[in-house]
Amino acid sequence: NAGVMQNPRHLVRRRGQEARLRCSPMKGHSHVYWYRQLPEEGLKFMVYLQKENIIDESGMPKERFSAEFPKEGPSILRIQQVVRGDSAAYFCASSPSGGDGSNQPQHFGDGTRLSIL
Amino acid sequence: GNSVTQMEGPVTLSEEAFLTINCTYTATGYPSLFWYVQYPGEGLQLLLKATKADDKGSNKGFEATYRKETTSFHLEKGSVQVSDSAVYFCALGGSQAGTALIFGKGTTLSVSS
Repeated sequence: NAGVMQNPRHLVRRRGQEARLRCSPMKGHSHVYWYRQLPEEGLKFMVYLQKENIIDESGMPKERFSAEFPKEGPSILRIQQVVRGDSAAYFCASSPSGGDGSNQPQHFGDGTRLSIL
Repeated sequence: GNSVTQMEGPVTLSEEAFLTINCTYTATGYPSLFWYVQYPGEGLQLLLKATKADDKGSNKGFEATYRKETTSFHLEKGSVQVSDSAVYFCALGGSQAGTALIFGKGTTLSVSS
């Protein structure tokens, strides 16, 4: 009965490298969300995906950040050419589809803590 | 736009004290309201929720009532334990599937024995 699985738990990158964060949603969940948590801040929404589709990326920076949720495999959040300001905890959440289209509670993974040297 | 404001912490209490963490919101329509708890080094866990006005969410001794007239969703617990020490987040979500959550900044609770 696994929950939302994120890996790695900790990731260290040097400026200019790429960071790739993975998220496997809970079994039976078709909605995936990515949030970013800066120190002393609440979580900020980045992007919402369903299988093979980006539904809402209004919280995603326009450059260097991308996300996907392929038909097979986990969702990936990719950050290219990382900078110090990208240091944060990145959380993935998933939710099932409400049969009536209603909002369902989101279940969170333990996050990936990204540190940029 | 939609927003959530929660009281600043840290909140420091002795074991068995009464807890209130204030949360107010601004929203259009009929949002759902949530409290999440985050223990050190972990992700957020859903603590309780309410989906319409006057609903009371409750779990593990915590309660919160969705008050539309005061746009509030204050978290309360009658007798806190050391194990309740964590960061508590109030969040707002739309009524439709796939709506992103809007979080408050979080309130750190520290309970001492």
